[in-house]
Order: sequence, then C-alpha cells, then structure tokens
Amino acid sequence: EDQVTQSPEALRLQEGESSSLNCSYTVSGLRGLFWYRQDPGKGPEFLFTLYSAGEEKEKERLKATLTKKESFLHITAPKPEDSATYLCAVQDNYGQNFVFGPGTRLSVLP
Amino acid sequence: KAGVTQTPRYLIKTRGQQVTLSCSPISGHRSVSWYQQTPGQGLQFLFEYFSETQRNKGNFPGRFSGRQFSNSRSEMNVSTLELGDSALYLCASSQGTSGSGDTQYFGPGTRLTVL
Repeated sequence: EDQVTQSPEALRLQEGESSSLNCSYTVSGLRGLFWYRQDPGKGPEFLFTLYSAGEEKEKERLKATLTKKESFLHITAPKPEDSATYLCAVQDNYGQNFVFGPGTRLSVLP
Repeated sequence: KAGVTQTPRYLIKTRGQQVTLSCSPISGHRSVSWYQQTPGQGLQFLFEYFSETQRNKGNFPGRFSGRQFSNSRSEMNVSTLELGDSALYLCASSQGTSGSGDTQYFGPGTRLTVL
C-alpha cells in the first residue's frame, strides 16, 4: 500500500529564514510526486510535479527535489504570503489514485 | 482557461438528508476525482471517473456515490447524511486517468456541514 509522510507537522519561520520541508514515500513504482499549496478553506493549488530521482524544479522562492525515497521542498527567503499548508502526493504505476500526505503547516512571521 | 468549478460552495444539511455536489472540470480534461478533507484524516480519495466510467474507488461506504456525464461534468451524492460527513469536498480534474502521471488540478471545494 502506498504511504506518504511529511515532516515537520508545523513550521514557524521568520521572514527571510530559509528552510526545507520533507515528504517521505513508500510506493510500488513511482509514476509521479506532486506538491501542492493549500490556503485555509480553499482547494490545493498545484506547485510541482517530479517524475524521477534527481529531478529538480523551481518556482520563485520554492525548489522541489526528488530522491528514490523522499522529496524536499526548499523555501528560500520566505515571505509572510508563503504561509500555507504544503501537501505532497504520490501516484504509482498501477493506476491507483493520488495518495496524499498529511501536510506541513508553514507560518512565516514578518 | 477556466479552472475547476464546484457548486455549491457551502451547504448545511441535517442528519438523514441527502446531498448532491457538482463539479465542472477544466475544458479538455476527461478525468474527475473526488476527495474528502477533514482536519483529522486529511485528504482522502473517494472515487475517480473517466469517460463516464468509475475507474477507482476509495474506502468509503456505499452512501457515497458519483457519476460523470458525457461533457465530463461530475456529481457526487451522499445519502443518509451523518455528522461525520461534515467536511470539505474537493474535486480535481486531469487530462488522463490515474496512473497516467498527469497533474490533478483542484477546485475550491464545497464545505458541507451536517447538523
């Protein structure tokens, strides 16, 4: 059974203080790993898709990386508007749907 | 391109009633998946429809059902509502089916409160 864990559960940063969020997964053949950002009461907003170990993607202050067992979301010089819950999901090669992790709740203080 | 839309955005029902939620996918997307999100359980997969056929189903009771129309719009129905059904119900669309590697794009959700 596919499983996804995320750490830390919650993270508080000062504005400008860089950090990383972790997503560890167990899957029988990874088809894709997906990062989303979710604001309270809203639907998840797509950030990145990673397909193979070694792949990296960047968008503004965010950079996602992938290994065979985990993915990291690096946040460089975060701003208060980066405060949100960050969700990671995996999709396997056997046609099963997305399995989501519990998320990391990020708070960036001014 | 318009995003995924869901109606209604908010619903209040009482125990024992039934409810129907609607989702319109991004134009050109043929797959629609439904999720339930609660503070304690996170995002849990309900079911996926592709070309009007249910492709996958999560571990939910038969009170939860869905369907997809020829224009890819989808509805989900919950019968005999229970207090525990209070949640944010999210719909996501993608071009291909699950397992295709296609990204799922989410709608804003329907907040269901059962009293």
